[in-house]
Amino acid sequence: KAGVTQTPRYLIKTRGQQVTLSCSPISGHRSVSWYQQTPGQGLQFLFEYFSETQRNKGNFPGRFSGRQFSNSRSEMNVSTLELGDSALYLCASSQESGGEQYFGPGTRLTVT
Amino acid sequence: AQSVTQLGSHVSVSEGALVLLRCNYSSSVPPYLFWYVQYPNQGLQLLLKYTSAATLVKGINGFEAEFKKSETSFHLTKPSAHMSDAAEYFCAVSKASGTYKYIFGTGTRLKVLA
Repeated sequence: KAGVTQTPRYLIKTRGQQVTLSCSPISGHRSVSWYQQTPGQGLQFLFEYFSETQRNKGNFPGRFSGRQFSNSRSEMNVSTLELGDSALYLCASSQESGGEQYFGPGTRLTVT
Repeated sequence: AQSVTQLGSHVSVSEGALVLLRCNYSSSVPPYLFWYVQYPNQGLQLLLKYTSAATLVKGINGFEAEFKKSETSFHLTKPSAHMSDAAEYFCAVSKASGTYKYIFGTGTRLKVLA
């Protein structure tokens, strides 16, 4: 089976812009979770989608949003980018909510 | 509320020495516990998982972890460190009551000395 894929792998944006990141889970996995990883804050949970419904949400401002499509692919969107949004954004999929997660390689976002 | 504590943000061991990475958790219900490894510029890879079966869990690359309920611990060990084990290791807990939430520890960076 193909692993979790994330596109793009690298992204450079300017403050105030918005960005959309994409994640394709492992075939058959219905749960997709998103994380932000920074040197200072570590791995922080953004949200989880299961069968197109947001099941859990972390403590991030409303500028961070996501969605999941019927084929389980997921996107996350960050509007009005701030310098502090520079991070590695990781997507993970699992067969069931709370089960072992399989991570993609991440999208490295740099905001200038 | 669930939480995970990893003691030691950096651990150094000599090649061939025992690797011990510590993880303590708190959970109001029996948890699922996981160890992940992250190599530079990569995503996380599952090393092993505990889901209330055997308390001693064997994972990939010679790693294992023991679930100790009385100590609320899930420490990761490997008898003999290899240079290729140098990476960052994350402990995680899931299965809160009601809804599943994944909580990661802050990570331990393992350095292996020649």
